[in-house]
Amino acid sequence: GDSVTQTEGLVTLTEGLPVMLNCTYQTIYSNPFLFWYVQHLNESPRLLLKSFTDNKRTEHQGFHATLHKSSSSFHLQKSSAQLSDSALYYCALSDRPGGYKVVFGSGTRLLVSP
Amino acid sequence: EAAVTQSPRSKVAVTGGKVTLSCHQTNNHDYMYWYRQDTGHGLRLIHYSYVADSTEKGDIPDGYKASRPSQENFSLILELASLSQTAVYFCASSEGQGAEQYFGPGTRLTVL
Repeated sequence: GDSVTQTEGLVTLTEGLPVMLNCTYQTIYSNPFLFWYVQHLNESPRLLLKSFTDNKRTEHQGFHATLHKSSSSFHLQKSSAQLSDSALYYCALSDRPGGYKVVFGSGTRLLVSP
Repeated sequence: EAAVTQSPRSKVAVTGGKVTLSCHQTNNHDYMYWYRQDTGHGLRLIHYSYVADSTEKGDIPDGYKASRPSQENFSLILELASLSQTAVYFCASSEGQGAEQYFGPGTRLTVL
């Protein structure tokens, strides 16, 4: 079945350093939609960015990600971490045509310290 | 502004009791979802629906039932609550594949 893997459960960084959160996926369908959701403490998840175009960089709120179908990856990056980036980040996949089911990864908690 | 509301926001239930969690959306979305969130497991899909009066099983449906009486409303029912169902439950709605999911504020359920 479809799956999303986020290898890091926790990432700790000092403010100003670059962020990279890993996301790989498995699906038999050739045109998946990939998403990053962010959840701040005591809030609900909200969409950060999404993509379905191979090798095209998608950006939002200083974060960016590129869908690479050749490696089944959709890593989230940011050039300089801010304290306010501390949150739980989910990578998610929606694949089959007309499909409405979304598979979430287990999440990566990012903690940014001064 | 998309709006998904859930009630109650928190609940304490006894083992073996019946629990009903309610979700209401004003987005005019066809698709609605119930997830549970546990540390280390992320968001796991329990049930979902793409049309009123019809529900589908998600990845972890055992011990849960769902009801979609109208496009706006989607309920999650625990007929016999168990300790293992202690979690935060999120409802979400979306337009469909490739579309953003709009989450409700969540319900914190504690089963004692």
